[in-house]
Amino acid sequence: KNQVEQSPQSLIILEGKNCTLQCNYTVSPFSNLRWYKQDTGRGPVSLTIMTFSENTKSNGRYTATLDADTKQSSLHITASQLSDSASYICVVSATNDMRFGAGTRLTVKP
Amino acid sequence: NAGVTQTPKFRILKIGQSMTLQCTQDMNHNYMYWYRQDPGMGLKLIYYSVGAGITDKGEVPNGYNVSRSTTEDFPLRLELAAPSQTSVYFCASGGGATGELFFGEGSRLTVL
Repeated sequence: KNQVEQSPQSLIILEGKNCTLQCNYTVSPFSNLRWYKQDTGRGPVSLTIMTFSENTKSNGRYTATLDADTKQSSLHITASQLSDSASYICVVSATNDMRFGAGTRLTVKP
Repeated sequence: NAGVTQTPKFRILKIGQSMTLQCTQDMNHNYMYWYRQDPGMGLKLIYYSVGAGITDKGEVPNGYNVSRSTTEDFPLRLELAAPSQTSVYFCASGGGATGELFFGEGSRLTVL
């Protein structure tokens, strides 16, 4: 069964600190993996896309990694800011299927 | 750029009432989707469409209907609203089956 599991469910960090969010999946056959950011009361917005051949991709202070062998991805946020407070959703696509993780709720405190 | 526009943003329904959530996109995307998001849960696919005149069920279609008469519009119809349909509904569009999704701002529905 195609599934996406994210951890932790929620996370609180201080402004300026780094953090790493995890995504494990069983979706097959793998096509790509995206990380979305969802601000409270808004729709999700894509941050990065990872394809099978990519190990690391950065978008500003966000760095995503992919290990296709272990079917794991991570999203690392560097020097967190208050505006990083949001839910981060991992979405894994197969050829004709797209599965969403439940998300990690990140709170950045001053 | 408008992107994906959903209306209404908020709505309270009584049990048994019906309503339509509107969704329109101006990006000429073939693929459109309706999701619901319950507190602490991931987005669940209700219905999707790969083009005008073509719709198909997702994971949780019961109690809903859709139509796709044009590329731009993909309304979601709730018939006989039930408390279990209390949720936040997101419409999304995309250029392909595995492409980036562009989401609307969401419609918060409460059924009492």
